[in-house]
Amino acid sequence: NAGVTQTPKFRVLKTGQSMTLLCAQDMNHEYMYWYRQDPGMGLRLIHYSVGEGTTAKGEVPDGYNVSRLKKQNFLLGLESAAPSQTSVYFCASSYRLGDYGYTFGSGTRLTVV
Amino acid sequence: GENVEQHPSTLSVQEGDSAVIKCTYSDSASNYFPWYKQELGKRPQLIIDIRSNVGEKKDQRIAVTLNKTAKHFSLHITETQPEDSAVYFCAVGSSNTGKLIFGQGTTLQVKP
Repeated sequence: NAGVTQTPKFRVLKTGQSMTLLCAQDMNHEYMYWYRQDPGMGLRLIHYSVGEGTTAKGEVPDGYNVSRLKKQNFLLGLESAAPSQTSVYFCASSYRLGDYGYTFGSGTRLTVV
Repeated sequence: GENVEQHPSTLSVQEGDSAVIKCTYSDSASNYFPWYKQELGKRPQLIIDIRSNVGEKKDQRIAVTLNKTAKHFSLHITETQPEDSAVYFCAVGSSNTGKLIFGQGTTLQVKP
């Protein structure tokens, strides 16, 4: 039972490049989330999904897109990376909407140069 | 939307002392208040949570108190140990919004 798995763990991008971060969970959780973590700013919600085929915007959605084609996977895309998107990205999943503890992935450290 | 403020941003205590971290929130509809611990280079992990129908919850050396009227809640760590050193995040959620909003984090250092 792996829990929540994120790939890749590290990535360096050049400004303007695109990439996709993959989050996979094997707990049959309905709800999945993407956060970014920056020093002094805590964890900020980018996008989230309340079920297969659904997505919704969080606090900081600009510059990112997401897809949830399969229940176990939640993809985060950067179409044209910018240095401001340098961050640590965490995926999380939960069993119940809004009032249940998250299980986090191990994170992806992304640097945009 | 929901706004969560966490204080202090850094906290240094001697081993054996107590540590208290406080969070305030703005949305009175919020009903779920977890605390996460994040060690250096690791993922955040849930350490304790409380729901709005409870005023206090304790788990060994960790306790959380909630004041819904004043919209604030606190994490209390007693008899601190060096392994308690980490970044602690509060968060606020509700069944209505479907998401957790996190505080800015508190870096706790426990000096031996």
